[in-house]
Amino acid sequence: EPEVTQTPSHQVTQMGQEVILRCVPISNHLYFYWYRQILGQKVEFLVSFYNNEISEKSEIFDDQFSVERPDGSNFTLKIRSTKLEDSAMYFCASRPNRGGQPQHFGDGTRLSIL
Amino acid sequence: AQTVTQSQPEMSVQEAETVTLSCTYDTSESDYYLFWYKQPPSRQMILVIRQEAYKQQNATENRFSVNFQKAAKSFSLKISDSQLGDAAMYFCAHILITQGGSEKLVFGKGTKLTVNP
Repeated sequence: EPEVTQTPSHQVTQMGQEVILRCVPISNHLYFYWYRQILGQKVEFLVSFYNNEISEKSEIFDDQFSVERPDGSNFTLKIRSTKLEDSAMYFCASRPNRGGQPQHFGDGTRLSIL
Repeated sequence: AQTVTQSQPEMSVQEAETVTLSCTYDTSESDYYLFWYKQPPSRQMILVIRQEAYKQQNATENRFSVNFQKAAKSFSLKISDSQLGDAAMYFCAHILITQGGSEKLVFGKGTKLTVNP
């Protein structure tokens, strides 16, 4: 069964550094998402992406965050200048075009900011 | 605001027994979708089951079934014949259609299920 893949599985970065989290969504999916889960808390929506542009973003997704689909397969989340509070598990998800379909999640990237 | 409430932070069940995890939600839409996701200690997010609100019939997937009460906005998950591998955090989620026309998942805070041998 096709899967969403995320790399790296764990990223350790110094505060203030830029970090790029990578995702390869399922190939025939058209909608892409990033979610965040701070340790011990619920999963929170960050951003959705469709047709090469952001379709929705949360208040968490400020100017330090950006997303890109550079080559038609990868979907990246960039954090420009990381803060301690950015430490979390970041999940990429994708879904097909039809509404109401479940979003398929990757295994997540654990981001640790020192 | 659309919310999802899971009132049981933790539950435990004996192996081979049945357990029910509660979830209530709030929505103003008439047609919507609900999901249960499982997050084992490895922290993957795994889809367990999906329910379409316009369908009267409760969804089932092998040992997993839901009790969907639309009027009460309740969506509980029943796990029958519990297995050690069922131990995980279980998240109830609801699709929210955003102003931009996109869909996003709104999650509850989760229920940690322990399965005792």
